[in-house]
Amino acid sequence: QKEVEQNSGPLSVPEGAIASLNCTYSDRGSQSFFWYRQYSGKSPELIMSIYSNGDKEDGRFTAQLNKASQYVSLLIRDSQPSDSATYLCAVKGGSYIPTFGRGTSLIVHP
Amino acid sequence: NAGVTQTPKFRILKIGQSMTLQCAQDMNHNYMYWYRQDPGMGLKLIYYSVGAGITDKGEVPNGYNVSRSTTEDFPLRLELAAPSQTSVYFCASSPPTGGGYTFGSGTRLTVV
Repeated sequence: QKEVEQNSGPLSVPEGAIASLNCTYSDRGSQSFFWYRQYSGKSPELIMSIYSNGDKEDGRFTAQLNKASQYVSLLIRDSQPSDSATYLCAVKGGSYIPTFGRGTSLIVHP
Repeated sequence: NAGVTQTPKFRILKIGQSMTLQCAQDMNHNYMYWYRQDPGMGLKLIYYSVGAGITDKGEVPNGYNVSRSTTEDFPLRLELAAPSQTSVYFCASSPPTGGGYTFGSGTRLTVV
């Protein structure tokens, strides 16, 4: 069974710090990796996707992928209180159905 | 461009009642999905569809039914509602090229 593991948190960081969110997955055939942000009471929103090893940067967000270690992470630089949310990792293999992790709760305190 | 539209946003059902959750997308996405999300439990796939006329079961299909007569619409039917179906339901769609999901705003359902 395909598994995606995330630390449920909460991860608490001060405003302006770097928040590091981690995700491991079991399926070595996985090809597509996604990070979603979900505010309390709202629907998930896609914020990053990554398909090859290395780093991908988009504004304050950096996704990092290491397929050999089956590990994907999301870094948020200059964290803001508005970044406080649950971050869901999703991993997709050859099929079109991704497997979601349970999410990590991030709290950015002023 | 509305994206994925879900209705209703909230609903209270009595045990044994039935209802249909509506989902429509205007992005011409082939793939559509229904998830439920319980507190602390992550997203559970109920049903999915890869195109009009094609549907398949996900992880937790019991008590639900779907149809896909058009590319745009993917309604979810609950028959004989039970308290265990109290949850938040999300519809999502994705393009066939393998990109991420676009989610609807969700339906919060309570069965009493």
